[in-house]
Amino acid sequence: KAGVTQTPRYLIKTRGQQVTLSCSPISGHRSVSWYQQTPGQGLQFLFEYFSETQRNKGNFPGRFSGRQFSNSRSEMNVSTLELGDSALYLCASSLGGSSLNEQFFGPGTRLTVL
Amino acid sequence: QKEVEQDPGPLSVPEGAIVSLNCTYSNSAFQYFMWYRQYSRKGPELLMYTYSSGNKEDGRFTAQVDKSSKYISLFIRDSQPSDSATYLCAMSEAGANSKLTFGKGITLSVRP
Repeated sequence: KAGVTQTPRYLIKTRGQQVTLSCSPISGHRSVSWYQQTPGQGLQFLFEYFSETQRNKGNFPGRFSGRQFSNSRSEMNVSTLELGDSALYLCASSLGGSSLNEQFFGPGTRLTVL
Repeated sequence: QKEVEQDPGPLSVPEGAIVSLNCTYSNSAFQYFMWYRQYSRKGPELLMYTYSSGNKEDGRFTAQVDKSSKYISLFIRDSQPSDSATYLCAMSEAGANSKLTFGKGITLSVRP
């Protein structure tokens, strides 16, 4: 079974630009979560989508947004990029049922903001 | 105070050593406790998953949860160079839509 895939793997942008990252979950998984990983703050939860609906949200500004499509693929968008947005963005998929399910992570997208 | 605190490391041990990794937490609502391993340029992979207090063993790995002390540990026996990675503890409250809260991670290096 194919794992979680994320595209692109690397991205370089400048301040003020916007960026869209993509995540394809494991087949059959309906929940997709996004995390930001930085050396200073570690892994921080951004948001979770389940059946095209945002089910949970972390403490990030409104510049960070996401969506999920009917095939469970998800995108996250960051608008008006700041230097501090440079990070590894990880997506994780799970079955998303009635109890906590194991989350499988993708390799991440490394975003550099210049 | 962060919800989850993890020893910052890094940690370097000789091959064959017993490794002890620890996390403390402040949120008494946490019910699920996990350890992830992350190799360089890869996403985290789940190593151990424990519900509530107790011990769980899987091969060379043992996870312990002490909810009364708000303390969790991961023990690695007979450590191998292939265990060299960053180890992250993660926790979650009950409920299907509960997010994972991670420790910052500790980088372990096992010297041959």
